[in-house]
Amino acid sequence: ETGVTQTPRHLVMGMTNKKSLKCEQHLGHNAMYWYKQSAKKPLELMFVYNFKEQTENNSVPSRFSPECPNSSHLFLHLHTLQPEDSALYLCASSRQVAGAVDTQYFGPGTRLTVL
Amino acid sequence: GQQLNQSPQSMFIQEGEDVSMNCTSSSIFNTWLWYKQDPGEGPVLLIALYKAGELTSNGRLTAQFGITRKDSFLNISASIPSDVGIYFCAGRLNTGKLIFGQGTTLQVKP
Repeated sequence: ETGVTQTPRHLVMGMTNKKSLKCEQHLGHNAMYWYKQSAKKPLELMFVYNFKEQTENNSVPSRFSPECPNSSHLFLHLHTLQPEDSALYLCASSRQVAGAVDTQYFGPGTRLTVL
Repeated sequence: GQQLNQSPQSMFIQEGEDVSMNCTSSSIFNTWLWYKQDPGEGPVLLIALYKAGELTSNGRLTAQFGITRKDSFLNISASIPSDVGIYFCAGRLNTGKLIFGQGTTLQVKP
């Protein structure tokens, strides 16, 4: 238990569906992150939020839409996804962004399958 | 672009053996992190290193921050079956960006 929870843990959706992934952290952190993990590839950073403001978007397609209503919650809204978007989506949090002594704590991930 | 080369890609060892894996890069990092990921779960932080030359232990795990700040290694002594999983290194650049290695998959034969 890392203090970061994600729901749902598994999601199967069609290419025309709209769904949302939820992340919640109970660590009092100010920064939250979305990562994509595909087989045989390094973790890919998607979005970074610091104090609810988006500070980084790593050229993520617009079919992925993040939302951060407060420092404890992070959402990833999904629409018209492609089969190649199937992956494990990981949320992480840290006390702050870019701190030299800062570490990220990960949630368990949502296993997404796009049919 | 910046990348980390993590090796080996996979290991299959006998229970009780020691394990060593490393990450190297042409970039300089100010922090090194080592994570373990169990199947179906997110990565869990094992060890964090903040200074060049730093050697830190966490139980049977030992990690070192390379003196050149371009590499790090992780050793696991006397491996047990529950050590099975994927181990990731991550290095933080001076810009704050965190770069992850490709992972080392460890299998332990009882």
